Amino acid sequence: DVKVTQSSRYLVKRTGEKVFLECVQDMDHENMFWYRQDPGLGLRLIYFSYDVKMKEKGDIPEGYSVSREKKERFSLILESASTNQTSMYLCASVRGSYNEQFFGPGTRLTVL
Amino acid sequence: GQSLEQPSEVTAVEGAIVQINCTYQTSGFYGLSWYQQHDGGAPTFLSYNALDGLEETGRFSSFLSRSDSYGYLLLQELQMKDSASYFCAVRDQDTDKLIFGTGTRLQVFP
Repeated sequence: DVKVTQSSRYLVKRTGEKVFLECVQDMDHENMFWYRQDPGLGLRLIYFSYDVKMKEKGDIPEGYSVSREKKERFSLILESASTNQTSMYLCASVRGSYNEQFFGPGTRLTVL
Repeated sequence: GQSLEQPSEVTAVEGAIVQINCTYQTSGFYGLSWYQQHDGGAPTFLSYNALDGLEETGRFSSFLSRSDSYGYLLLQELQMKDSASYFCAVRDQDTDKLIFGTGTRLQVFP
């Protein structure tokens, strides 16, 4: 069974903290994505990666960075968390140019 | 750039049929996908239309008309468990990114 896992379901951090969100997939997918989801705004793409050590900016990369050292793991980093980064963060993966993205359960991050 | 518009909310009763529309402005895309997301859950893939026309999968059907820049998801014989948010999405031909619509919240009443 296909699986995408995220390190935490809920996370509370303080303004200015460095935050790491981890995502692991067991499907040997090449492509991985980080989205944030906010009410009324749908899913917005932060960063994505086509392969190990490769990364591309999505639509809202400001304030975020990513790391992909291994094919199965894609990390989202908030260098200095701010309150406007309070959101639901979703990781997804897909094989090559296929259209079905598989999503992780999400991490609800609250920045105080 | 791409933008996809959906109604914010739709309500219906059990057993009914509901259509969720998705209109888009896009410079080029591979096809239209639909995802379902229950409250607190992750989006899950429902369907994909690469070509114009109707694709049927059980109680759910999806339609695409590229000439009208329009698609829809049709849910038949509605059940309470169909209460969820539904997102349309297109894969951009230039960037290969998946662009999501703003989502439609479907509430099914007994």
